[in-house]
Amino acid sequence: DTGVSQDPRHKITKRGQNVTFRCDPISEHNRLYWYRQTLGQGPEFLTYFQNEAQLEKSRLLSDRFSAERPKGSFSTLEIQRTEQGDSAMYLCASSSTGSTGELFFGEGSRLTVL
Amino acid sequence: QKEVEQNSGPLSVPEGAIASLNCTYSDRGSQSFFWYRQYSGKSPELIMFIYSNGDKEDGRFTAQLNKASQYVSLLIRDSQPSDSATYLCAVKQRAGKSTFGDGTTLTVKP
Repeated sequence: DTGVSQDPRHKITKRGQNVTFRCDPISEHNRLYWYRQTLGQGPEFLTYFQNEAQLEKSRLLSDRFSAERPKGSFSTLEIQRTEQGDSAMYLCASSSTGSTGELFFGEGSRLTVL
Repeated sequence: QKEVEQNSGPLSVPEGAIASLNCTYSDRGSQSFFWYRQYSGKSPELIMFIYSNGDKEDGRFTAQLNKASQYVSLLIRDSQPSDSATYLCAVKQRAGKSTFGDGTTLTVKP
């Protein structure tokens, strides 16, 4: 198992453009999480899935953000009409039900909005 | 008030000393507590988890939990320069998300 993988690792875009990130979790993990982290802050929860169901979404999450996990495997996070404040590291993590609850993180996708 | 608060850093200790990291949380329904280590430019990785009141030891690391006081701590004994990193406290309800603090940056000086 290669762990959680994220793509792309870096994305530079202009304000107003749409961006999409992909996350492939550890294959036997049925839970998938998206977090956002900025410098000097801890990871901020965005949303999570159990299998293909999106079970929770942060109240802070603008409607410009949408996430999917159509077949309960990989997930995508799309940000529409990006703003400079969206610049951050987007972290994906996975875990399995019945486990300790430990999160296994990918290397992250760094977004820079110019 | 943030849901998970950590003692403000940065924290600097000499090599071989004990580093003490603290965390408080606001949700009394929290059931699982985690310490993650994050090296600069890297993703968080789990060091320890604890569910029950008391101490849990793993090598040089000891996690302590006091649910009545809503307090979690991490002690690192015989600190090494390789322990220099940001330590994130995370708190999880029975099901669902883990909520993270903003971390405490530890520097261990040789």
